[in-house]
Amino acid sequence: DSGVTQTPKHLITATGQRVTLRCSPRSGDLSVYWYQQSLDQGLQFLIQYYNGEERAKGNILERFSAQQFPDLHSELNLSSLELGDSALYFCASSVAEREETQYFGPGTRLLVL
Amino acid sequence: AQKITQTQPGMFVQEKEAVTLDCTYDTSDPSYGLFWYKQPSSGEMIFLIYQGSYDQQNATEGRYSLNFQKARKSANLVISASQLGDSAMYFCAMREVYNQGGKLIFGQGTELSVKP
Repeated sequence: DSGVTQTPKHLITATGQRVTLRCSPRSGDLSVYWYQQSLDQGLQFLIQYYNGEERAKGNILERFSAQQFPDLHSELNLSSLELGDSALYFCASSVAEREETQYFGPGTRLLVL
Repeated sequence: AQKITQTQPGMFVQEKEAVTLDCTYDTSDPSYGLFWYKQPSSGEMIFLIYQGSYDQQNATEGRYSLNFQKARKSANLVISASQLGDSAMYFCAMREVYNQGGKLIFGQGTELSVKP
């Protein structure tokens, strides 16, 4: 158990819908990262927050947004869902902004029908 | 440009033998970190080992060691005395310290199967 929690574990929804994925980092970690794992794209970095502020953006679609709250938990919002958004979404956390090991949560498996 | 390359999509190893999983990387950043993660069939990503670009010695963590050859830009994972529970996908990843943020760039992974 990495200490990072993610809810829900599984999510099945329809195209056009909107979902919210939630992540709680390890106690003491200030950085939260979101990654998407799909068969065709592999593991891709989406976005990073550090202590409530956005720090880096990767290949995140405009339909996707994220935030980190004062209690350091983070949410990833996916809207206008398409079939191709079906993937495993990971949250990871680390103590610092750049140089620490990232520990991953168990992931949320999203299926868009 | 692909920055992390894992050339072995799948590998087999006999239980109790050692196995090496290959990883090459490309970066112009003078300071970077290299990581290996394990992903069992259950899906979670488990951190195994880390090597910093300025570390003089190869990293070791129990049965895992990282064969770091900086000039060749390779960071191979060596698993000694393989166990059935080592069957999983293994991902090599890199973080460029001076790149924005701390994002990890992953390779495509190697699926390891341990035979009894």
